[in-house]
Amino acid sequence: ETGVTQSPTHLIKTRGQQVTLRCSSQSGHNTVSWYQQALGQGPQFIFQYYREEENGRGNFPPRFSGLQFPNYSSELNVNALELDDSALYLCASKQAAQNTEAFFGQGTRLTVV
Amino acid sequence: DQQVKQNSPSLSVQEGRISILNCDYTNSMFDYFLWYKKYPAEGPTFLISISSIKDKNEDGRFTVFLNKSAKHLSLHIVPSQPGDSAVYFCAAQRDSWGKLQFGAGTQVVVTP
Repeated sequence: ETGVTQSPTHLIKTRGQQVTLRCSSQSGHNTVSWYQQALGQGPQFIFQYYREEENGRGNFPPRFSGLQFPNYSSELNVNALELDDSALYLCASKQAAQNTEAFFGQGTRLTVV
Repeated sequence: DQQVKQNSPSLSVQEGRISILNCDYTNSMFDYFLWYKKYPAEGPTFLISISSIKDKNEDGRFTVFLNKSAKHLSLHIVPSQPGDSAVYFCAAQRDSWGKLQFGAGTQVVVTP
């Protein structure tokens, strides 16, 4: 059984560019969430997908968008990158059942210059 | 609006002693609470959880206590080991669909 994997692990982008981050869910998990973790803070919820539909969103602007594919893998897209978007982006997957824990990938460290 | 708070940014404890990490929350709708551990350059790893219908859950060296009236939970690690040195995050959730709300984390250092 493979865990949650994210790619790439590190990325440097220029302000104004667009970026796509990828996540493969743990086997058997149908729900994926994305989080942004700034330095010295806890992860902040961006959005969640269940069976290819977004079913929850945090306080992030529309330039943060996502997709979930039939195999439950997922993408996070960020347009018009800003310097403050520099952070660790974490993907988590889980089964959509009550009181189940989410399993996280190792994250993608995004630096916007 | 920080609904989950970990007011101690760091904790230093001697190997073999007890580590106590604290977490407070403000939203009474939270019904599931989790602790995650994070090493540098890795994603958070699930440690232990507790449902709001319980006041204690134990798993080996880790015990989580929940005081709903005080909106407070704590994680006890006993005995502490050097491998426990990491950042610990408290997280809360409203239901199985809900987003996880994280605290800012507590850096634990276990000294020999």
